[in-house]
Amino acid sequence: KAGVTQTPRYLIKTRGQQVTLSCSPISGHRSVSWYQQTPGQGLQFLFEYFSETQRNKGNFPGRFSGRQFSNSRSEMNVSTLELGDSALYLCASSWSGFPDTQYFGPGTRLTVL
Amino acid sequence: AQSVTQPDIHITVSEGASLELRCNYSYGATPYLFWYVQSPGQGLQLLLKYFSGDTLVQGIKGFEAEFKRSQSSFNLRKPSVHWSDAAEYFCAVGAQAAGNKLTFGGGTRVLVKP
Repeated sequence: KAGVTQTPRYLIKTRGQQVTLSCSPISGHRSVSWYQQTPGQGLQFLFEYFSETQRNKGNFPGRFSGRQFSNSRSEMNVSTLELGDSALYLCASSWSGFPDTQYFGPGTRLTVL
Repeated sequence: AQSVTQPDIHITVSEGASLELRCNYSYGATPYLFWYVQSPGQGLQLLLKYFSGDTLVQGIKGFEAEFKRSQSSFNLRKPSVHWSDAAEYFCAVGAQAAGNKLTFGGGTRVLVKP
């Protein structure tokens, strides 16, 4: 069974731009969660989607948003990029959400210049 | 609010020696506890998890962890480390009452000496 895939793997943007990251969960998984990983703040929960609805949200500004499609694929969008948004963005999928095991993708490395 | 502390940022261990990584959590009730490993350029891989029952949990790659409620700890151990165990290890806590999200510790980077 294919694992969680994330595209693109690497991305370079400039301040003020917006970016969209994509996540394809494991087949059959309906829950997708997003995490931000930075050296200073570590791994932080962004949000979780289940059946096209945002079910949980972390403490991030409104510039961070996401959505989920009917095939469970998910996208996250960051508008008006700031230097501090440079991070590894990880997507995780599970059957129906916590406490099911979350399987992580390899991440998208975003660099904001 | 739930929180996780991994007191050791870096640990260096010789190949073949034993390894113990510490994890302390803070949560009002018994949480769900996880250990993940992250190799360079990779995502997170689940090593093991504890929900309830036997407090000694066996995981993949020869790892085990022990849940100690009295100490609010969930330490990860491996009897004999291989060079391929060099990676960063994350302890995480989750609870449905906390919104079905994982809260991670800061991570412990393990270096393996030949």
